[in-house]
Amino acid sequence: DIQMTQSPSSLSASVGDRVTITCQASQDISNYLNWYQQKPGKAPKLLIYDASNLETGVPSRFSGSGSGTDFTFTISSLQPEDIATYYCQQYDNLPLLFGQGTKLEIK
Amino acid sequence: EVQLVESGGGLVKPGRSLRLSCTASGFTFGDYAMSWFRQAPGKGLEWVGFIRSKAYGGTTEYAASVKGRFTISRDDSKSIAYLQMNSLKTEDTAVYYCTRPRTRGVVITAIDYWGQGTLVTVSS
Repeated sequence: DIQMTQSPSSLSASVGDRVTITCQASQDISNYLNWYQQKPGKAPKLLIYDASNLETGVPSRFSGSGSGTDFTFTISSLQPEDIATYYCQQYDNLPLLFGQGTKLEIK
Repeated sequence: EVQLVESGGGLVKPGRSLRLSCTASGFTFGDYAMSWFRQAPGKGLEWVGFIRSKAYGGTTEYAASVKGRFTISRDDSKSIAYLQMNSLKTEDTAVYYCTRPRTRGVVITAIDYWGQGTLVTVSS
């Protein structure tokens, strides 16, 4: 199985900060990677698909990049409503796998 | 508007069975694959399995952790997907989410529609 290593596991930042989360796959997955946001008690929400495509309706401060094994998710200017846990997810092969998650908090 | 509503969760003893239902609306159910995910308390997201649409054979795929114990089925006439869970273990305790994923042919890509989730607790 492909392994997904997401870091950091938690992150504290101030409003307005640029925030970056990384996700590394154990083998080449091309651009078959998505990013999700999950707020407490809620279902995940798709933010970025195919590594760098912004889902319709998602604010442009969210972005993704990368291909192959190394991927980056960025919030260009952190807003209070961005407090959540973020997950990467690969779909190159079954089983569909998520990263361990990054819990984002406001400093 | 796409809506997915799970039901059937609850408290069950180890070794017993439980069936979850996912009632869908707002789209032509038979045209889409359906998938289940779960999230143990305080833990990350785990894919459980999915069922393809009839156009792609209605075949199923499962995570290794549930293969042989869980079965996904669908009733396109009622727009319902099911997750039959047998031989439940304490480690199956989780919120179970029904989803309508995007697909490319037989492959699931992204998950853009999720239900609200239903809690399954396996405990004696």
